[in-house]
Amino acid sequence: DAKTTQPNSMESNEEEPVHLPCNHSTISGTDYIHWYRQLPSQGPEYVIHGLTSNVNNRMASLAIAEDRKSSTLILHRATLRDAAVYYCIQVDYGGSQGNLIFGKGTKLSVKP
Amino acid sequence: NAGVTQTPKFRILKIGQSMTLQCAQDMNHNYMYWYRQDPGMGLKLIYYSVGAGITDKGEVPNGYNVSRSTTEDFPLRLELAAPSQTSVYFCASSYLFYYLGTGGFYGNQPQHFGDGTRLSIL
Repeated sequence: DAKTTQPNSMESNEEEPVHLPCNHSTISGTDYIHWYRQLPSQGPEYVIHGLTSNVNNRMASLAIAEDRKSSTLILHRATLRDAAVYYCIQVDYGGSQGNLIFGKGTKLSVKP
Repeated sequence: NAGVTQTPKFRILKIGQSMTLQCAQDMNHNYMYWYRQDPGMGLKLIYYSVGAGITDKGEVPNGYNVSRSTTEDFPLRLELAAPSQTSVYFCASSYLFYYLGTGGFYGNQPQHFGDGTRLSIL
């Protein structure tokens, strides 16, 4: 079963920032937090990942709480193309060799 | 680059038929994966492979078989199709490496997914 909890759905307006929350209260010291998204009728697409400190890339930013029990994916300016299901995944690089365990994710709707 | 290529994109099978879903990657990744996704749900891992000749079961392996004779290809076989196997199947690949040192741990690059095979069994 998935080790993270996310809201089922969120709405955003186009060109506004979006903050997608994720709880991972059972995270251990070597577990990473990965985010993937799945556009309609496509396979999942990698967004970002991090361990302890905040991370930025061209797609998004990842803010990880100091106790690492929660994180937030930040889309700085939502576009219609960002409408997708976003998965927050706690990845165990030790015993499970980094296998991904997907939950249901958060379905993001973007209004024009 | 083609990335991860899955064929066919769509298929309808009758109960009891067999088929092979094809997956190929051109990124020289060592790890490959098969997932299934039922409507409204997240992906579930069926099988994965750490390299040519080595495969292992995931969360939902029953009813499926895999083989990995080359780095590039990772076919998924359904021997006796059942309605419960109606799903969308995704193949993925990644490069995973092992850090030596205290405790040792794996680091990897993100998984790259194909566009999926939509399979209906009637």
